[in-house]
Amino acid sequence: GIQVEQSPPDLILQEGANSTLRCNFSDSVNNLQWFHQNPWGQLINLFYIPSGTKQNGRLSATTVATERYSLLYISSSQTTDSGVYFCAVGDQAGTALIFGKGTTLSVSS
Amino acid sequence: GAGVSQTPSNKVTEKGKYVELRCDPISGHTALYWYRQSLGQGPEFLIYFQGTGAADDSGLPNDRFFAVRPEGSVSTLKIQRTERGDSAVYLCASSLYPGTAYEQYFGPGTRLTVT
Repeated sequence: GIQVEQSPPDLILQEGANSTLRCNFSDSVNNLQWFHQNPWGQLINLFYIPSGTKQNGRLSATTVATERYSLLYISSSQTTDSGVYFCAVGDQAGTALIFGKGTTLSVSS
Repeated sequence: GAGVSQTPSNKVTEKGKYVELRCDPISGHTALYWYRQSLGQGPEFLIYFQGTGAADDSGLPNDRFFAVRPEGSVSTLKIQRTERGDSAVYLCASSLYPGTAYEQYFGPGTRLTVT
């Protein structure tokens, strides 16, 4: 089945810094979603982005499907950005999303 | 509108007992998924419903796990003879249409602890 790798596994930032999270996947996908899991465990949808670029406030994401990677950019980070960021992909052969192991982000003031 | 809801939010049970976990998907969503998340890991697929039928249950770890969706909306995940290794967060997700191409929305999860 499809493999998903996220990097870095951990990231520590000062408030106001920018960061880039990466997601590599091993095969063609028809779905790619970025989630933020908050400290209470809720998975919050950030982007549905199987290809192209999207922006939402301080966050933006780019997926280059032909090269099998996606990037999540966080600008001017805030303490509330802390948590685990997951990339999850779906492919035509599969049934459900396949998740990476996540990037744990800690933003301190 | 309302998102995916799950009850209970926390469940503590003794080894060997039976538990039921409930999921209410977003209204109108035809596809429903159950995932399980262990500490430090990403969610892993358990079972997928299109309407009332289980279209893929290949992720269920063994026959102690079963799920139903009798009217094509609410789903219940049932675990018999619970074991300590079943302790995890059980997440439910729904999408408007079946198939991996459609955006999935997750509920807050049920944290199951088996003592």
